[in-house]
Amino acid sequence: KAGVTQTPRYLIKTRGQQVTLSCSPISGHRSVSWYQQTPGQGLQFLFEYFSETQRNKGNFPGRFSGRQFSNSRSEMNVSTLELGDSALYLCASSWGAGTSPTDTQYFGPGTRLTVL
Amino acid sequence: AQSVTQLGSHVSVSEGALVLLRCNYSSSVPPYLFWYVQYPNQGLQLLLKYTSAATLVKGINGFEAEFKKSETSFHLTKPSAHMSDAAEYFCAVSTGGGNKLTFGTGTQLKVEL
Repeated sequence: KAGVTQTPRYLIKTRGQQVTLSCSPISGHRSVSWYQQTPGQGLQFLFEYFSETQRNKGNFPGRFSGRQFSNSRSEMNVSTLELGDSALYLCASSWGAGTSPTDTQYFGPGTRLTVL
Repeated sequence: AQSVTQLGSHVSVSEGALVLLRCNYSSSVPPYLFWYVQYPNQGLQLLLKYTSAATLVKGINGFEAEFKKSETSFHLTKPSAHMSDAAEYFCAVSTGGGNKLTFGTGTQLKVEL
């Protein structure tokens, strides 16, 4: 079974631009979560989607948004990019909503975003 | 709210020696606890997870962790380190109310000959 895929793997943007990152979950998984990883702040939760509904949102400004499609694929968008948005963005998928002990999140390889 | 503290941002061991990576958690409800490993330029790989079924949890690659409620700890161990274990290790907690994970700051494991 194919794992979580994220596209693109690397991205370079300039300040003020916007960017869209894509995540395809493992087949059959209905939940997608996004995390930002930086050397200074570590791994921080951005948001979680389950069956096209946002269930949880982390403490990030409104410039960060996301959505999930009916096929469970997810996109996240960052508008008006700032230098501090440079990070590794990780996507994770899970079959369930995280309320069962059997729910396990599987991570993709990430998208490395560099903002110049 | 829940949180995780990983003691030691860098740990160095000799090949064949015991690996011990420390994790303490704080949670107002019974937690789910996880250990993930990250190799350079890769995503996170699940090593093991605790979900209250058994306090001693065995994972992949010879790792195991013991949940100690009295100490609010979930330390990761491996009896004999291998060069391929060199990576960054993250402890994480969730409350079972969703898929949100709260991560510790990570421990970089170095394995020396």
